Amino acid sequence: AQSVTQLGSHVSVSEGALVLLRCNYSSSVPPYLFWYVQYPNQGLQLLLKYTSAATLVKGINGFEAEFKKSETSFHLTKPSAHMSDAAEYFCAVSSGSGNTGKLIFGQGTTLQVKP
Amino acid sequence: GAGVSQSPSNKVTEKGKDVELRCDPISGHTALYWYRQSLGQGLEFLIYFQGNSAPDKSGLPSDRFSAERTGGSVSTLTIQRTQQEDSAVYLCASSLGGQPVYEQYFGPGTRLTVT
Repeated sequence: AQSVTQLGSHVSVSEGALVLLRCNYSSSVPPYLFWYVQYPNQGLQLLLKYTSAATLVKGINGFEAEFKKSETSFHLTKPSAHMSDAAEYFCAVSSGSGNTGKLIFGQGTTLQVKP
Repeated sequence: GAGVSQSPSNKVTEKGKDVELRCDPISGHTALYWYRQSLGQGLEFLIYFQGNSAPDKSGLPSDRFSAERTGGSVSTLTIQRTQQEDSAVYLCASSLGGQPVYEQYFGPGTRLTVT
């Protein structure tokens, strides 16, 4: 079975500081990994995805994530936080088996950006 | 172009009543997913449709939940005899295909409150 663990339900950073949101996964098959962002009262928007190509994945809004198989991690980073980055972030995994892209999500991390 | 739309945006119902939630996917998307977002359980997969294949219902929490997709387009999620624990935001997503390489586009969700 697949699972995702996001370390830290709330992360607070100052504007301009490094953003680091942690995600560890468990999968018996090579995983597909995703980061989604959710702004208040909106649906989810894909930030980036790992599909077994390059291990360093660049996404939208300056975010990137690195797939580390040895650590079973897929942490999300951004060098400099902006106030508009305040939102909830979800890490998700999919196996792709059975020709389905159904996603297994972590519990989410709320990012607060302080001025 | 138009994104995924869901209706209603909010639904308040009394315990024991049946409700229907609607999802209009992006035109041309063959895969459609339903997820549920609740405070206690986070984001959970419910059901997946892909073309004319039998749906993957493995995430439906009980037999009170059912869904159909007519003509490979619009989908309806039905909850019979609603319970208070059904209160959640129900999210629909669609993608070009059923494999995880295809990005899932999420609708804004339907917030269901069972009183």
